Amino acid sequence: AIRMTQSPSSFSASTGDRVTITCRASQGISSYLAWYQQKPGKAPKLLIYAASTLQSGVPSRFSGSGSGTDFTLTISCLQSEDFATYYCQQYYSYPITFGQGTRLEIK
Amino acid sequence: EVQLVESGGGLVKPGGSLRLSCAASGFTFSSYSMNWVRQAPGKGLEWVSSISSSSSYIYYADSVKGRFTISRDNAKNSLYLQMNSLRAEDTAVYYCARSESGSDYWGQGTLVTVSS
Repeated sequence: AIRMTQSPSSFSASTGDRVTITCRASQGISSYLAWYQQKPGKAPKLLIYAASTLQSGVPSRFSGSGSGTDFTLTISCLQSEDFATYYCQQYYSYPITFGQGTRLEIK
Repeated sequence: EVQLVESGGGLVKPGGSLRLSCAASGFTFSSYSMNWVRQAPGKGLEWVSSISSSSSYIYYADSVKGRFTISRDNAKNSLYLQMNSLRAEDTAVYYCARSESGSDYWGQGTLVTVSS
């Protein structure tokens, strides 16, 4: 199985900050990578697919980049509603695998 | 509007069985592969199983292989997960999700608790 490793696991930031979360795959996955946002008690929400394509309705302050094994999710100007847990997911091959999550907290 | 509504969760004893359902609406269900994804309390997301649009291709996580069975009824716009030989570690919220560019739409989840 392809292992997905996110970093950091958690961190604190302030509204208006620019933040970057990284995700590394244990083997190449081309651009078959998605990013999700999850808030407590809610289902995950797709933010980015194909590594860099913004899902419809997602604010443009979210962006994704990378291919192969190294990927990043960037939030250009944190808003209060962005404090949540973020997961990367590879859908290049089965079993589909997720990163362990990055919890973004208010500083 | 795409909607996915799970049902069938509850409390079950170890070794017991449960059948989850997911009712889909707002899109052509028969054209999409579907996924089940679970999340144990306080833990991350874990993919469980996927099924192609015509049920030709089915995949399972090793953790559930041989115990869980995914199926679908395109005439009823419904996805199912039959869970047998349940263990404490299967306790989780189970989500159904449409398989498109990852998983583009998710249900609200149904809680399965395995405990004596």
